[in-house]
Amino acid sequence: RKEVEQDPGPFNVPEGATVAFNCTYSNSASQSFFWYRQDCRKEPKLLMSVYSSGNEDGRFTAQLNRASQYISLLIRDSKLSDSATYLCVVPQNTGGFKTIFGAGTRLFVKA
Amino acid sequence: DVKVTQSSRYLVKRTGEKVFLECVQDMDHENMFWYRQDPGLGLRLIYFSYDVKMKEKGDIPEGYSVSREKKERFSLILESASTNQTSMYLCASNRRDRATYEQYFGPGTRLTVT
Repeated sequence: RKEVEQDPGPFNVPEGATVAFNCTYSNSASQSFFWYRQDCRKEPKLLMSVYSSGNEDGRFTAQLNRASQYISLLIRDSKLSDSATYLCVVPQNTGGFKTIFGAGTRLFVKA
Repeated sequence: DVKVTQSSRYLVKRTGEKVFLECVQDMDHENMFWYRQDPGLGLRLIYFSYDVKMKEKGDIPEGYSVSREKKERFSLILESASTNQTSMYLCASNRRDRATYEQYFGPGTRLTVT
């Protein structure tokens, strides 16, 4: 099993739709989690962090399910500008530096 | 505003050439990272540095070396480039006390080895 696995995209949704991505992780000791956004041919940038039960920022909601070891990202009222690849990121919290990046889920929002 | 810059956006090299990729950050960050990103594989850590002249191997260090002579600069070296090193290379940095928190990325260097 991969350390971090994401929904395989691409997700093609119309504007205004609600879409959700999941990400499963294998290290039960992980304490913090992140979603990064990466636009085409650009660098990844932090979108949201998830430390406990969840986090909400406008149209974006990130949730954590420790029992099942997954995090999710929900986007409501999708905009064309939400089209991007969303990376799930899980630091390993081993006292070191290792951070595991998922392969990403590609989202296309169409008019 | 944090800025991480990389020396080239696109680079084409021949098999066997020595390749230098440079990364500079302007936020006095202790930690610097080199990743490569390939379709379907996500970002994979090549090397990490937590201080000047200090380095740690990541998941895929084979065929690469690094140099950190100054705090703001972290170089990735391909001693003898091979076609399987064709990839997008991303540099990142963050503060030592936030080693597992947000990383700030450079724009990437797309390297093609022919």
